[in-house]
Amino acid sequence: NAGVTQTPKFQVLKTGQSMTLQCAQDMNHNSMYWYRQDPGMGLRLIYYSASEGTTDKGEVPNGYNVSRLNKREFSLRLESAAPSQTSVYFCASKERPGRDNEQFFGPGTRLTVL
Amino acid sequence: SQQGEEDPQALSIQEGENATMNCSYKTSINNLQWYRQNSGRGLVHLILIRSNEREKHSGRLRVTLDTSKKSSSLLITASRAADTASYFCATAEDSSYKLIFGSGTRLLVRP
Repeated sequence: NAGVTQTPKFQVLKTGQSMTLQCAQDMNHNSMYWYRQDPGMGLRLIYYSASEGTTDKGEVPNGYNVSRLNKREFSLRLESAAPSQTSVYFCASKERPGRDNEQFFGPGTRLTVL
Repeated sequence: SQQGEEDPQALSIQEGENATMNCSYKTSINNLQWYRQNSGRGLVHLILIRSNEREKHSGRLRVTLDTSKKSSSLLITASRAADTASYFCATAEDSSYKLIFGSGTRLLVRP
C-alpha cells in the first residue's frame, strides 16, 4: 500500500518546454488535488477533481491543465513552462469530496524552470 | 489569497518544552485541520477540529478553536527533536470543498 505516489521526483525544464507530472493513489479515494508550494509559503491549490470524471480550477490554475485519467490517476500538465512555475508540486487525495476528511499527500515533485 | 495565517513564523525551543502555534483565518469554516511537513517531504495530517468543537486532543497534541475570534492554536507538549518540522493550519470553508492552507510555522526542537 504505497499511498500517493508522484513522478518524477525532480525535473529541470527550459522556458517553453512542456511536461506532465504524474500522480497515482492506491487507497480507492474519490478526490484528488494538485498544489504548489513556494519557499516560505503554504500550499496553493492549482486544480482538483472531486470525483472521477470531474475537474475544477483552484486558486492558481493559469498555465496548467489536468486530466483525471481514472479513479487512481490525476496528472498535471505544463504546456509551456515559465520560470514563475519553479516550485514544489504536491498531489493529494482524500476518500470523499466532503469537508470532514483528511487529505493524504505524495512526496512532491521539485520543478525548476530555467 | 491565504485563509489561515500562522504565528509565529518560526519557533525554536528546547527538547521537553511545550510549543504553541497559532492560526487565524478570515471566513466561516466547517472545520480546521493541522498538518505537519518534515523537510523535503509531503504533508501529514495531524488533527481535525470541527467548527462546533472547542478543544481536541491527540496524544501530545492539543488543538483549540475559537470561532468568535476566528483563531486556532496547536500545542505540542513535551516536545522531542523529532517534532522539528513545519506546521500548517488548513481551513475547510462552509462554501467550498477546498482546503485553504496557511503559510506555516517552522518549529525547531533543540536536543
